[in-house]
Amino acid sequence: AQSVSQHNHHVILSEAASLELGCNYSYGGTVNLFWYVQYPGQHLQLLLKYFSGDPLVKGIKGFEAEFIKSKFSFNLRKPSVQWSDTAEYFCAVNEGSTLGRLYFGRGTQLTVWP
Amino acid sequence: DAGITQSPRYKITETGRQVTLMCHQTWSHSYMFWYRQDLGHGLRLIYYSAAADITDKGEVPDGYVVSRSKTENFPLTLESATRSQTSVYFCASLTSGKNIQYFGAGTRLSVL
Repeated sequence: AQSVSQHNHHVILSEAASLELGCNYSYGGTVNLFWYVQYPGQHLQLLLKYFSGDPLVKGIKGFEAEFIKSKFSFNLRKPSVQWSDTAEYFCAVNEGSTLGRLYFGRGTQLTVWP
Repeated sequence: DAGITQSPRYKITETGRQVTLMCHQTWSHSYMFWYRQDLGHGLRLIYYSAAADITDKGEVPDGYVVSRSKTENFPLTLESATRSQTSVYFCASLTSGKNIQYFGAGTRLSVL
């Protein structure tokens, strides 16, 4: 079964600091990659996705992620975080051969202090 | 634009009781999913459905039953609730053309 690892469980930053959240997966074949965000009390929302092409993908709210196939990684970045970015972030992987089925990491709680 | 709705949003029940969580989507998406979210585990897939009358197990199906008689509905039933099933349950649907899942607001279930 697919395994998705998010190494940072809780990250605390001050506003304007840069962010990088790690995500590694185990599947060796074709993958589709996602980052979802869950703001307090809300449902999951898609931040960005990678299916193919340019390994650097840009999402909403200034987030971006880089797919590095050789490292089985899909790290999320933002150059300057805001208080409103406080949320839980989930990395998810879909094996290319199985439409839709997602494997999630355990999540990273980001707290941004104003 | 209703999207995907879950009901109830909050539920408290007792061990041994049967509970059904509802999920309804207005997009006519073929695929629907049920996840549970637990601290330290992220989201784990319980069951999914590729179309009406087609369902399949996910990672943690034990103790749960699903049905999909209509494309728009995907209820999840806990036949005899246990404390370990206390969790937040999310329903999602998939637009196959884009392979993107959209999530409902969740149901917080407490089993006492």
